[in-house]
Amino acid sequence: DVVLTQSPATLSVTPGERISLSCRASESVDTYLHWYQQKPNESPRLLIKYASQSISGIPSRFSGSGSGTDFTLSINGVELEDLSIYYCQQGNSLPRTFGAGTKLELK
Amino acid sequence: EVQLVESGGGLVQPGRSLKLSCAASGFTFSNYYMAWVRQAPTKGLEWVASITNSGGSTYYRDSVKGRFTISRDNAKSTLYLQMDSLRSEDTATYYCTRERYNYFDYWGQGVMVTVSS
Repeated sequence: DVVLTQSPATLSVTPGERISLSCRASESVDTYLHWYQQKPNESPRLLIKYASQSISGIPSRFSGSGSGTDFTLSINGVELEDLSIYYCQQGNSLPRTFGAGTKLELK
Repeated sequence: EVQLVESGGGLVQPGRSLKLSCAASGFTFSNYYMAWVRQAPTKGLEWVASITNSGGSTYYRDSVKGRFTISRDNAKSTLYLQMDSLRSEDTATYYCTRERYNYFDYWGQGVMVTVSS
């Protein structure tokens, strides 16, 4: 199984700052890497597909990059509503696997 | 608007069975793969099973293979998950998701399954 390692586990943020979250795969997943946001007590929602492709309805401050084994989710100007857990997921092989998540909290 | 509404969760004893349903609307159900993803309390996300749009092929994670069965009724736009021989480690919120190629673009609100004596 492909193991996805997300770092950091928790990130303390100040509104307005630019942040980057990391997701590292145990083997190459090409660009079959997707990002989800899960707000407290809500279902996850798709943020970014295929490493860097935007999703309709998602604010433009969210962007993704990377390929192979190293991926980054960036938020350009964090807002309070972004305080959530962020998960990466690989779709290159079965079983589909998720990272353990990065929790964004207020500094 | 895409809607996925799960039902059928609850408290069940170890070794017993439970069947989840997911009513889909707002899209042509028969055109899409579907999947179940679960989340144990305070834990991360875990893919459980997927099914092709026709229902002709199914895929499972190893830990549920032989115990869980994913199925669908395209005439009713409904996805199912039959869970047999339930274990305490199956305790989780189960999400019905629409699977687009290899990612999950829509999620239901989730249904809680608790396996305990």
